[in-house]
Amino acid sequence: GAVVSQHPSWVICKSGTSVKIECRSLDFQATTMFWYRQFPKQSLMLMATSNEGSKATYEQGVEKDKFLINHASLTLSTLTVTSAHPEDSSFYICSARPRTEGGYTFGSGTRLTVV
Amino acid sequence: RKEVEQDPGPFNVPEGATVAFNCTYSNSASQSFFWYRQDCRKEPKLLMSVYSSGNEDGRFTAQLNRASQYISLLIRDSKLSDSATYLCVVMVRGGGADGLTFGKGTHLIIQP
Repeated sequence: GAVVSQHPSWVICKSGTSVKIECRSLDFQATTMFWYRQFPKQSLMLMATSNEGSKATYEQGVEKDKFLINHASLTLSTLTVTSAHPEDSSFYICSARPRTEGGYTFGSGTRLTVV
Repeated sequence: RKEVEQDPGPFNVPEGATVAFNCTYSNSASQSFFWYRQDCRKEPKLLMSVYSSGNEDGRFTAQLNRASQYISLLIRDSKLSDSATYLCVVMVRGGGADGLTFGKGTHLIIQP
């Protein structure tokens, strides 16, 4: 089945540093990928839609200058959390839709802890 | 009003029991519906899509009621391995992001 590979699985970083998260579609091309964030006991919240070859579309309340998204190829999207702060600590997950009809496939998620 | 609402539970049921839970959605333009399963500290995994005619996959049956805007999931002969959080997910096409809206999930605990 379709696989979305996400790395790293977890990262601990110091406040003020930047962290890059990669999301790759392994056996299909993903012109669109989605980035979500999930705080403990909360639902997944869409942060932004990553479009290959164009600018990402951010949801209301998500700072585009803080969460930089790059979708340089049909199989790779990256999310960079810039100048991370403890409140950015969360579970970040990417997803893509392998086919026009059907469900979405999720990456394994990245647990970010900012200390 | 939340876009997708679910009873968070937890639902504690004995192994072998049948359990059902519902989800309601507020956007009448929602076009696609899914149930996902999420284990603790893991990514969501698609359990099944939900169709208007209702659909079944083994021990799992999903129903959609567009008029009342709710979705249900029924699990028969529950197994210990069914313990997880079940996420109700809807999609509105053309609503901007064309992404998914997740409920907070219903936590299910199957007891031996």
